[in-house]
Amino acid sequence: DQQVKQNSPSLSVQEGRISILNCDYTNSMFDYFLWYKKYPAEGPTFLISISSIKDKNEDGRFTVFLNKSAKHLSLHIVPSQPGDSAVYFCAASGTGNNRKLIWGLGTSLAVNP
Amino acid sequence: KAGVTQTPRYLIKTRGQQVTLSCSPISGHRSVSWYQQTPGQGLQFLFEYFSETQRNKGNFPGRFSGRQFSNSRSEMNVSTLELGDSALYLCASSLVPGSVEQYFGPGTRLTVT
Repeated sequence: DQQVKQNSPSLSVQEGRISILNCDYTNSMFDYFLWYKKYPAEGPTFLISISSIKDKNEDGRFTVFLNKSAKHLSLHIVPSQPGDSAVYFCAASGTGNNRKLIWGLGTSLAVNP
Repeated sequence: KAGVTQTPRYLIKTRGQQVTLSCSPISGHRSVSWYQQTPGQGLQFLFEYFSETQRNKGNFPGRFSGRQFSNSRSEMNVSTLELGDSALYLCASSLVPGSVEQYFGPGTRLTVT
């Protein structure tokens, strides 16, 4: 059973508009969340993260929002650029010495010029 | 600083054979994690090594094994290959074990026929 779910396999957005990628999780013990971006033939690249003590974290054009009560987080990209076209993975981690990342299946974002 | 490197990049094997994949972490990184990525399952955690010791292990059969050398380079081995082992195998390095911010290599694409 997927503990981290990205229900939209793909998303298409016009250049300059906002891209919103969503992620839901089921395990209330998760306390740290990350977004990674992956281009074809490359490994995932860390993009942005958020701790469960926050509800928002911003880095340039990228903002992650966390709604703990709904067990939902989202990544906003504003404005979207063609170079943002990639697969975006949401990942979550719990506490303790053996923390490991649990990954969603990814959302493929296409930003059209 | 050079990134994570993985060799080989592509590999074709037949059922029943065994395979060894190699990963060199970023200089100074002592923790190496391995993941299997398949379209239906996303990224699945295989194991993590630190100081030549396996610290954490995912839910994979014993056919999947790994090791880490004193220079932090890591290898993973899959014995008695099955068709379902066809996947992209990703290696990630981090400064310390249990770090959720990891740096990925480009992966090794394994095809089992």
